Amino acid sequence: QVQLQQWGAGLLKPSETLSLTCAVYGGSFSGSYWSWIRQPPGKGLEWIGEVNQSGSSNYNPSLKSRVTISLDTSKNQFSLKLSSVTAADTAVYYCARGFRGRTSSWYDYWGQGTLVTVSS
Amino acid sequence: DIQVTQSPSSLSASVGDRVTITCRASQTIGIYLNWYQQKPGKAPKLLIYAAYSSQSGVPSRFSGSGSGTDFTLTISSLQPEDFATYYCQQSHSSPRTFGQGTRVEVK
Repeated sequence: QVQLQQWGAGLLKPSETLSLTCAVYGGSFSGSYWSWIRQPPGKGLEWIGEVNQSGSSNYNPSLKSRVTISLDTSKNQFSLKLSSVTAADTAVYYCARGFRGRTSSWYDYWGQGTLVTVSS
Repeated sequence: DIQVTQSPSSLSASVGDRVTITCRASQTIGIYLNWYQQKPGKAPKLLIYAAYSSQSGVPSRFSGSGSGTDFTLTISSLQPEDFATYYCQQSHSSPRTFGQGTRVEVK
């Protein structure tokens, strides 16, 4: 049974860098891609980006200039960094496993979510 | 970007009702369409993947159908624990995109 546990700072000031880490328990990095998804309060889900087992990443163009997602296979963890945050980045951030099946791909395991608030 | 549009944005229903939620993609995506359930304060939960395949442990009252651009999530007999928000998501192309959500409320 795969479990994702995430942590990171919950309160940031504008212009600071958001940093979150997600630990993967009970599974390997192979065959999957490791993703971050966020949800502003009361709103829908927005895909931030992903990293695969090789460390190759793919980002939402709307955030690409500010996002870095990286993998640490030695610790079974992956991380999100989002620079120059503003109030618009206030959201619950989720890590998730993207599983690649034969005919599609989907997010089958999720972290518990971390509320990140950006306020001066 | 591929847009996915859900309808309705909310609905009111009673226990035992049959509920249908639709999702339309802005271009053809085959069966690269997934459905999630989210309850307040919780992470989304995968219900249906690849348009019509049920995730392990999901009750059989949940079913998905469709391909191409038009998809449907059906709850055959709504149960008290099904009152939640439902999202569709396309995994055909990057960036992955989600529908805006459908909130299922008590009538």
